[in-house]
Amino acid sequence: GQQVMQIPQYQHVQEGEDFTTYCNSSTTLSNIQWYKQRPGGHPVFLIQLVKSGEVKKQKRLTFQFGEAKKNSSLHITATQTTDVGTYFCAGRYYGGSQGNLIFGKGTKLSVKP
Amino acid sequence: NAGVTQTPKFQVLKTGQSMTLQCAQDMNHNSMYWYRQDPGMGLRLIYYSASEGTTDKGEVPNGYNVSRLNKREFSLRLESAAPSQTSVYFCASSEVIMSGELFFGEGSRLTVL
Repeated sequence: GQQVMQIPQYQHVQEGEDFTTYCNSSTTLSNIQWYKQRPGGHPVFLIQLVKSGEVKKQKRLTFQFGEAKKNSSLHITATQTTDVGTYFCAGRYYGGSQGNLIFGKGTKLSVKP
Repeated sequence: NAGVTQTPKFQVLKTGQSMTLQCAQDMNHNSMYWYRQDPGMGLRLIYYSASEGTTDKGEVPNGYNVSRLNKREFSLRLESAAPSQTSVYFCASSEVIMSGELFFGEGSRLTVL
């Protein structure tokens, strides 16, 4: 079946350092979404990318969708303790099962103050 | 607005027992989903309902049944619980299938002994 590979699995940073998580698919995605899950919480939608090469920013967060629509990244500039949590990408495939948003396994971010 | 509400939040079952997880959304969304989340596995789709009156299998449907009771409610039933079904279950909804963000409930933590 389709898979979305996400790396790294864990990332420990000092507060103020940057953080990046990457998602890769072997086949072209129709769109990709990013979610954040705080410890003990539920996933919360951050953004959806649809277009090839798309770049979107939300304050310190920058999201990119690759030109081939097979990879995506989330970059956080100058991390804060409030950024702690697990970040998931989730991709949809052309012609895939209608309901199936394929989630990566997530990158768990910890931030040391 | 409450968003997506799941009950119960915690449940302990013995192997072979049955139970139903309830989910309701108040956002007038057409599509609803049940996911399970296991450590290191990300979120996997169990069943989804694209619209009222329809349900379809996701990635891991075995051992589960669902009912879309009306537009608001989507329940997940375990007929004969197994230890492998120990997990955190999330209900989610979206305005339409195949597009837009998912809104997640707070999750139901199920332990099967």
